[in-house]
Amino acid sequence: DQQVKQNSPSLSVQEGRISILNCDYTNSMFDYFLWYKKYPAEGPTFLISISSIKDKNEDGRFTVFLNKSAKHLSLHIVPSQPGDSAVYFCAASPNYGGSQGNLIFGKGTKLSVKP
Amino acid sequence: ETGVTQSPTHLIKTRGQQVTLRCSSQSGHNTVSWYQQALGQGPQFIFQYYREEENGRGNFPPRFSGLQFPNYSSELNVNALELDDSALYLCASSLVRGGGEQFFGPGTRLTVL
Repeated sequence: DQQVKQNSPSLSVQEGRISILNCDYTNSMFDYFLWYKKYPAEGPTFLISISSIKDKNEDGRFTVFLNKSAKHLSLHIVPSQPGDSAVYFCAASPNYGGSQGNLIFGKGTKLSVKP
Repeated sequence: ETGVTQSPTHLIKTRGQQVTLRCSSQSGHNTVSWYQQALGQGPQFIFQYYREEENGRGNFPPRFSGLQFPNYSSELNVNALELDDSALYLCASSLVRGGGEQFFGPGTRLTVL
């Protein structure tokens, strides 16, 4: 049973427009959420995170929104650039700084930004 | 600042063999986590080591074992390899134990024939 779901396997966006990647989770005990980007033949690269006590976090072109009541988070990329083309993973943690140590990942969304 | 490194890059083994994968953590990081990523899936947590002690384990059988050394580098050992063990194995290091920001290496691609 998947606890973190990314229901869109792929997304195609025009350069300069907004990319919105979505993620749903089922476990209300998750208290920390992260987004990673992965290029082929590389490991995932940390992008941005958000604690469950916040509903928004911004870092440059990247903004993550968290809706705890809906158990939903989204990553907005504005403006999108061709170099953003990659697979994006949503991850959740049930135990930030604690004794379990695991991140639970979704299956990823492949973003293609067309020039 | 040196990032997370892993060796080897690729590995081919046959069913029943044993394998050891290695990881050097990012400078200053005392925590290492290992993940398995099958094709088309997200990374799945195997276990985490914090200051040489296991700090949580995912749903993997005991033939998956690990070690962390005093310099915080780490090994993942898999015994009695099965075909389903073919995957990308990712190591990640972090400043804090638990589920905060983790920084990944490029991975080791293991193929079991």
